[in-house]
Formats: sequence, C-alpha cells, structure tokens
Amino acid sequence: KQEVTQIPAALSVPEGENLVLNCSFTDSAIYNLQWFRQDPGKGLTSLLLIQSSQREQTSGRLNASLDKSSGRSTLYIAASQPGDSATYLCAVRAVNTGNQFYFGTGTSLTVIP
Amino acid sequence: GAVVSQHPSWVICKSGTSVKIECRSLDFQATTMFWYRQFPKQSLMLMATSNEGSKATYEQGVEKDKFLINHASLTLSTLTVTSAHPEDSSFYICSARVPGRAGYTFGSGTRLTVV
Repeated sequence: KQEVTQIPAALSVPEGENLVLNCSFTDSAIYNLQWFRQDPGKGLTSLLLIQSSQREQTSGRLNASLDKSSGRSTLYIAASQPGDSATYLCAVRAVNTGNQFYFGTGTSLTVIP
Repeated sequence: GAVVSQHPSWVICKSGTSVKIECRSLDFQATTMFWYRQFPKQSLMLMATSNEGSKATYEQGVEKDKFLINHASLTLSTLTVTSAHPEDSSFYICSARVPGRAGYTFGSGTRLTVV
C-alpha cells in the first residue's frame, strides 16, 4: 500500500526566507504527484501537478520537483510571505489503485511578518 | 473553470440525525466522484468512489449503510451520514477528475460536528 510522508510536520520561518517542504512516497508506480494548499477549515487549492514523466513544475514563487525512482518530491517556496501560511499537502495518484489519491499528513507553515 | 461546489461548508447536528452533503460539478461532467474524510491532525483518507448510475465502491472499514452515496447525475454526487454520532465528526471533501485534464479538482469541504 502506498504511504506518503511529509517532513517537517510544522515549520515557522520569518518573512522573506526561502524554504523547502519534503514529501516521500513508498511506491514509485504513480501517475502523478500533486501539491495542495489547505487553509484552516477550508478545502484544497491545487498548487502544482507533476506528471510521472516530469522532473519539476514551476508556478510563480513555487517550484516542485519529483524524483520518482527515489520516491521523493520537494516544494520550494521562494521569498515567503505571511499569506503563504497554510498547511501544504502532497498527494500521489497511484497506478495500482487506479484513480485513488494518497495524501501525506501535511506540513503546517507559518510565515512570521 | 472546472469547479466542484460543495455544500454545506459546515454543519452541526444532533446525535442520531442524518446529514446530507452535496457536491456539484459546475462546468463539467463528473462521471466519478471521490469522497475523502480527514480527522484532526490526520491525512485525507479515501472513503468511497461514486460512479454515475451505479453503486459506489467503499474503502475497507467504511460502513456503506452508514455513509450513503448517491450519484444520480453527471453533475451531482451526495454523501449522507446516517444516524450520525460524535465520532463521525470530521472534515469531508469530494473530488472529481476534469475530463481532458490531468489533475483533479476538489470541493471546498464540509466540517461536520455531531453533538
């Protein structure tokens, strides 16, 4: 069964810092990996999607990389802002279970003004 | 585009009552809808997969008689928590694949509190 782990569980940084969130998964047979943002009590906002054949995706200050063979992905946030404070989730869509997403437990990010 | 509208966003109900959560795809047809549940400080876990016009598929450990799923049209899937108990208090969220796109879109979630 696919297991997704995110480290760290919580992170607090001063405004302006660059930071890296980590995601690892146990089964490399995936269709894609997606990073989401979740604000307290709210739904998910998709940030970046990386297909299994891709190495990275970029959107604005966000860059996500994927190393499928080692089962790792990183989300890089440049020049962090207080508005980036949220929980960041990674999820993989596993080949062996069709369309099911497996989610990590998330990294809770706080950017201090 | 590709929005899934989920209602209600939060609900408080008494123990023993039933609660219905709706997810509508606003500008696309969702033949399949996925229902997830998230307990505090835990990851989102898939509960069931609903397919338009057929019975839902439930994950192991999810009671199909308690969590009734109906997917009667290509734009609407509902999850009914029957005879809710405090342990059913959780965050429920739906998701659908957008035809022609690689990603999935999620509803905004429903916070259920059973008192």
